[in-house]
Amino acid sequence: SQQGEEDPQALSIQEGENATMNCSYKTSINNLQWYRQNSGRGLVHLILIRSNEREKHSGRLRVTLDTSKKSSSLLITASRAADTASYFCATVNTGGFKTIFGAGTRLFVKA
Amino acid sequence: GAVVSQHPSWVICKSGTSVKIECRSLDFQATTMFWYRQFPKQSLMLMATSNEGSKATYEQGVEKDKFLINHASLTLSTLTVTSAHPEDSSFYICSARDGTGRPNTEAFFGQGTRLTVV
Repeated sequence: SQQGEEDPQALSIQEGENATMNCSYKTSINNLQWYRQNSGRGLVHLILIRSNEREKHSGRLRVTLDTSKKSSSLLITASRAADTASYFCATVNTGGFKTIFGAGTRLFVKA
Repeated sequence: GAVVSQHPSWVICKSGTSVKIECRSLDFQATTMFWYRQFPKQSLMLMATSNEGSKATYEQGVEKDKFLINHASLTLSTLTVTSAHPEDSSFYICSARDGTGRPNTEAFFGQGTRLTVV
């Protein structure tokens, strides 16, 4: 079963713009992770943020986590055409080990 | 990071035949592995949790007799799609956690297997 929703479902932006994707989930979590998937390919792990963390950075990526609202956001700054992919959030529930994925956001960055 | 190897990366089989997909943790021991299925333009849906040395736990709606899972060692889990039909055509991905089983660690994913049943 899927944990929650992501919005937008699809996002089209120009190269150089920032892209923001949001993820909501339903239960309490141990951690939340963001993944990228190029069309028809495997997953690339981007960032893991723990439930006691509020923000994390990695290069052009910034992830926030609001456990009170059960939501997270992924910001990609200065986007590039190579960032075109699907982005998924995934959660591990408190006391659990399963990683459950959100519906994903399909990002298209126009050169 | 740790490496999970999945084989084959793609397979085409005839309807009615069985297909086995392997998932190996190359540099760590995985007491638990997970199998996902992904249809085109959709998210990854968890099918089952594979436990080393015991029976797999299947998610609701997943037929355990159709998707046979064997996790005979700490580094290998296999998924066998039995009597495959065209509707089983999908992208299958495995993931694994290291043997400590700590929940606040990253899950490592295989590169996926694209199954096409003709």
